[in-house]
Amino acid sequence: QQQVKQSPQSLIVQKGGISIINCAYENTAFDYFPWYQQFPGKGPALLIAIRPDVSEKKEGRFTISFNKSAKQFSLHIMDSQPGDSATYFCAASGTRGRGSTLGRLYFGRGTQLTVWP
Amino acid sequence: DTAVSQTPKYLVTQMGNDKSIKCEQNLGHDTMYWYKQDSKKFLKIMFSYNNKELIINETVPNRFSPKSPDKAHLNLHINSLELGDSAVYFCASSQGLADSYNEQFFGPGTRLTVL
Repeated sequence: QQQVKQSPQSLIVQKGGISIINCAYENTAFDYFPWYQQFPGKGPALLIAIRPDVSEKKEGRFTISFNKSAKQFSLHIMDSQPGDSATYFCAASGTRGRGSTLGRLYFGRGTQLTVWP
Repeated sequence: DTAVSQTPKYLVTQMGNDKSIKCEQNLGHDTMYWYKQDSKKFLKIMFSYNNKELIINETVPNRFSPKSPDKAHLNLHINSLELGDSAVYFCASSQGLADSYNEQFFGPGTRLTVL
């Protein structure tokens, strides 16, 4: 069973446009939601993360929006650049003392983002 | 300085062989992980060790055996390789007792191809 559902599978955006990737989860034990960026031939690297006590987190051109009641969160990339072309993974995990989600990162299936110049 | 390193980067082998992948981290982290990324890029955790103790063991065939000689190293040995084992294997590490708030640092991956 897929713990975190991610869409779209692929996304093509013009340079300067906004890229939006959506994720949804069911397990209410999740309380940490990171996004990872992976370039071809490299390992994933943490891009930005959010905890459910806030509804939005912004770091430069990257923003996470979080909707706790809907159990959804999304990544917005403003002014998308060709260098942003990569695979993006949302993930979710639970804190200590919350059962089987402890310490495990459950990844979405990834979104292949292509930004055209 | 390489934070999480893996060897080899590429591994091509025949079905039925036994192979090992090595991982080392120089971040001083307590927790290390093995992930498998399939051809569709789906990332799935296989194992996690904290201070050389196995703490996560997902539903993985027992042909896969992790070994942690010390907290900076986590190796993965695979017996009787099968075609379906072909994937990219990532090692990762994080600080602390697998606390979910700790960033996981990934290695560059080992692409295993079983012929």
